[in-house]
Amino acid sequence: AQKVTQAQTEISVVEKEDVTLDCVYETRDTTYYLFWYKQPPSGELVFLIRRNSFDEQNEISGRYSWNFQKSTSSFNFTITASQVVDSAVYFCALIPSSGNTPLVFGKGTRLSVIA
Amino acid sequence: DSGVTQTPKHLITATGQRVTLRCSPRSGDLSVYWYQQSLDQGLQFLIQYYNGEERAKGNILERFSAQQFPDLHSELNLSSLELGDSALYFCASSVATRGGNYGYTFGSGTRLTVV
Repeated sequence: AQKVTQAQTEISVVEKEDVTLDCVYETRDTTYYLFWYKQPPSGELVFLIRRNSFDEQNEISGRYSWNFQKSTSSFNFTITASQVVDSAVYFCALIPSSGNTPLVFGKGTRLSVIA
Repeated sequence: DSGVTQTPKHLITATGQRVTLRCSPRSGDLSVYWYQQSLDQGLQFLIQYYNGEERAKGNILERFSAQQFPDLHSELNLSSLELGDSALYFCASSVATRGGNYGYTFGSGTRLTVV
């Protein structure tokens, strides 16, 4: 079975601080995909990144960066120089590459960025 | 606009009633997934259809049912509604049955309030 754990329920930071959102996953599959989604107060789910389990390179996109470590089954997300617009709930998710298991989500981390 | 259309955006109904939520997948996507997001349960997978056939089932209550029509749109029927059914219901679509290689595209959700 697949499981995604986001131990941080809520995080509050002051604008311009860096913040890291943790994600730990469990799967018996050797190939899988990991995702991060953002859910702003308006409610929609916004896709941020997809990572193949074969690719352990870290990725940076503007102020966002992701650290994938297969050895610790973690896929952490860092926001550098946070802004108020980053306030949202962030979800980490996992899907195996084979079989018919649907996307499994963590419970999410609510990030509040205070001006 | 993600290309996945959900209607209605908001729905308020009384306990014991029945409602139908509608989802039109992104053009070319054959798979439709339904998720329920309640305050304390996070994003829970309900059911998946692929090209008109049910492919995977999650923690979907017996009071809930779904179908996918020949034009690939899907409907989620919720009956004998209870207060605890109040939630945000998301539909997602993908090209393949697994969705892993291509990812999911989510609609903006239907917010159901049962009073």
